[in-house]
Formats: sequence, structure tokens, C-alpha cells
Amino acid sequence: EAGVTQFPSHSVIEKGQTVTLRCDPISGHDNLYWYRRVMGKEIKFLLHFVKESKQDESGMPNNRFLAERTGGTYSTLKVQPAELEDSGVYFCASSSTPLIFRGETQYFGPGTRLLVL
Amino acid sequence: AQSVAQPEDQVNVAEGNPLTVKCTYSVSGNPYLFWYVQYPNRGLQFLLKYITGDNLVKGSYGFEAEFNKSQTSFHLKKPSALVSDSALYFCAVRDGAAGNKLTFGGGTRVLVKP
Repeated sequence: EAGVTQFPSHSVIEKGQTVTLRCDPISGHDNLYWYRRVMGKEIKFLLHFVKESKQDESGMPNNRFLAERTGGTYSTLKVQPAELEDSGVYFCASSSTPLIFRGETQYFGPGTRLLVL
Repeated sequence: AQSVAQPEDQVNVAEGNPLTVKCTYSVSGNPYLFWYVQYPNRGLQFLLKYITGDNLVKGSYGFEAEFNKSQTSFHLKKPSALVSDSALYFCAVRDGAAGNKLTFGGGTRVLVKP
């Protein structure tokens, strides 16, 4: 089966511009997660969708970040306006059932490398 | 709050020698522990996990990890390293009392020399 896919693989934008990242989870996975790794630091949780609903968005850094998952399939993460400190790698992951039930594995995509100049 | 520490930024090992990547964790509830690997220009690949049961967990590519509750550790091991094991390794934990998010360590770069 196809894994988690993310688009674009790389994005270079200027400060103040808008960027939209897309994630397509593994088919049939209701749970979708966004994480990011900035400046070579730890990978940090951003938010968790169950189908189209936001289950946990405690990791979203500020209101410049907007995540959506219309229809419960693919998800987008929009950064508007982008700042220099937003540079990093944005990962998407999916799982068939939430970790809370059986320690289900989250499967990660290849990431989108964002550079804000 | 949950946290993960990977005390070594880099581990160097000769091909054929044993490989150990260290990980310690802190959670308030029962831990679910994971190891992921990131090869150059690739995404995170799942290696193995500990949920419950046997403390020694076996995973992909000959890797295994031992859960030690008293030392709150989950070290990754491989008896005989390959050059192709050179990559970035991440330990992650999910606290049973803290929702679904994974908390990651800072990563350990492994370099296996021929």
C-alpha cells in the first residue's frame, strides 16, 4: 500500500509570504498528525486530526498556522504570513487507530523542507 | 509532562561491531516507546516499539531495543552494524496519560565506518 505522501518536498519563500503544505495519509487512516523539526532541534507535535475534526492542536505555535482536513482525507497546513523561524522540516504522520487504544504506530511521510528567507 | 533524552549527538562504530543508541524517558503514566530512523533525504521510518509485555523488542533490519523500567531507558541495539545503518535515529515516547502525541528526542546520528 502507498505510504504517507507530502507535497511539496521543498519550498523556499520570502518572509511574509504564504505557503501551503499538503499531506495525504495512508488510505483508510482516520488519524492524521502534523509535526515539525526546526533548526535541527527536536521533532515537535503540532496537531492531531481524527477524520476531519481537530482532536488536539496544543502544539500549534501561533495563529499564523492553520490546518484543515476537509472530508477527512488529505490535510493542508498553511503558514500565513511566514516568518524566518518557521524554517524547518514539516512531517505528517497517520495511524489507523489512535495511540491511546493500542500504542498504534504512526507512519510518517518524507517531510516538506521549508526555508523562509 | 513527557520528555525524551538522547544523550549522544553522534555515535561512531566500525562495521561489524555492536551498535547502541541510548534513550531515556520521563512520563507520568505508562510509556509507549518508539524508535524511528531517518536515512539521508528520506522521511522517518518506523523501526520498533514497546507497548507492553517482553522487555526485549525486536524490529526491522536486525534492530532490537530493551525496555528498562527502573532506569527509564529504551536503548536501541544491533549486534553487528552495517555501513548502510548510517542514519539519524529518533527515540519517541507517548505518555499513557497525555493524549496521542509523540514526544521525540533530539536524535542521534550514527556513522558506521567500513
